[in-house]
Order: sequence, then structure tokens, then C-alpha cells
Amino acid sequence: GDSVTQMEGPVTLSEEAFLTINCTYTATGYPSLFWYVQYPGEGLQLLLKATKADDKGSNKGFEATYRKETTSFHLEKGSVQVSDSAVYFCALSDLHQGAQKLVFGQGTRLTINP
Amino acid sequence: DSGVTQTPKHLITATGQRVTLRCSPRSGDLSVYWYQQSLDQGLQFLIQYYNGEERAKGNILERFSAQQFPDLHSELNLSSLELGDSALYFCASSVDRMDIQYFGAGTRLSVL
Repeated sequence: GDSVTQMEGPVTLSEEAFLTINCTYTATGYPSLFWYVQYPGEGLQLLLKATKADDKGSNKGFEATYRKETTSFHLEKGSVQVSDSAVYFCALSDLHQGAQKLVFGQGTRLTINP
Repeated sequence: DSGVTQTPKHLITATGQRVTLRCSPRSGDLSVYWYQQSLDQGLQFLIQYYNGEERAKGNILERFSAQQFPDLHSELNLSSLELGDSALYFCASSVDRMDIQYFGAGTRLSVL
């Protein structure tokens, strides 16, 4: 079945550092790809999405490009802030019998130190 | 605030017991999804309902069941609880079956 693999965490960076969180996927079709973020004690929030190859999703300074040739959707941010500390989940949408379910990676915990 | 409401926030119970988790979707959303987040399994899709009907099933145990009511709220029933059922249970909703999913804050279940 479809699957998502994220880089192992936790990741600790200093404020204003460059961030990359790697995500690769395996899918039989052409899924949409998502990054969700989970702040402490909260639910998942959609950070960005891309629905087809070469699409770039962006939000709050974060970006990710849907790369079909490398089956990747790496998350990047040029200058991280302490408030970006959270758990980040890469996900794909799996169309199953006409219904959509999300398949998530294992999550990457990010800590930003001032 | 995603607009998806889950109650209760925390639930502590004993093995063998039965609990019900409740989810109110965003206004206008017809589709409701349930996910389980545990340390060993990560985030896993359990089940989806659309306008009252079951549409997709994932890794949901036979001891678990769900339904979506005419007012579109959903309940997840967990019975014969085991220690391994301790997890965070999320509900998500979307406008239709294929749209972006918005997540609630989750119900943390502790089985002692």
C-alpha cells in the first residue's frame, strides 16, 4: 500500500537557521501531498499542500515542492523561529474506493532554540 | 481553531471498559474521519463517514465501531478496552469525500 517516510527526529536548530525535513513517498497513483504541523497539546493543522507534480506549496515561510521523479516532498524554511517548534507530519492522500484517507509519516519533532 | 470539536479532551478508564468519543465537524462538512495516534503505530486512519454512511475503513479493530448521525456529528465507540488502546484519537472533517481534512484537538484515552 501507499506509505510515507520522513527523516528521523528529533531535529534541534538555532533560531534563524535553515530547515529541511525530508519526506519521500510510495504510491501507486498520483496522490496529493501535505505537510501538517502539531503544536504541543493541539491537533494537526494543515501547513501546506501540493496536488500535482512540480506544484509548490507554501505557507508561513515554509515551502515544499512535489517531485514526482524523486517521489519526494521535502519541507524547507529559510529562517526558523522559536515559535516553529512543533511536530511536523508529511502525508499523502490515498484514494480508496472513491473515498480519501490520509497516510502519514512518523512525524519529525522540531525544536528551535533562541 | 479548526472548527472541529472533540469531547472529552481526556478520558481515563480501566481495561475491559467501553467508552464513546464524540466529534462535531465544521459547519457544512459532510465527511468525518477518525485517526489514532500512538507512540508505536504513529498516526493511523481508522474509518471515514460521509453524510451518515461508512465510506472507507482502515486499521480499525473489531472492538471499535463508529457512526455518523443525521446532524452529522460522529461517535467512535471503543469496547473491551486494552492497555494498548491508550492513544490520542483525532477526528477530522472535510466538505466532501475528497477535500482537505481539518483536525480537532483530539481525545487522549488512557486505559489503566
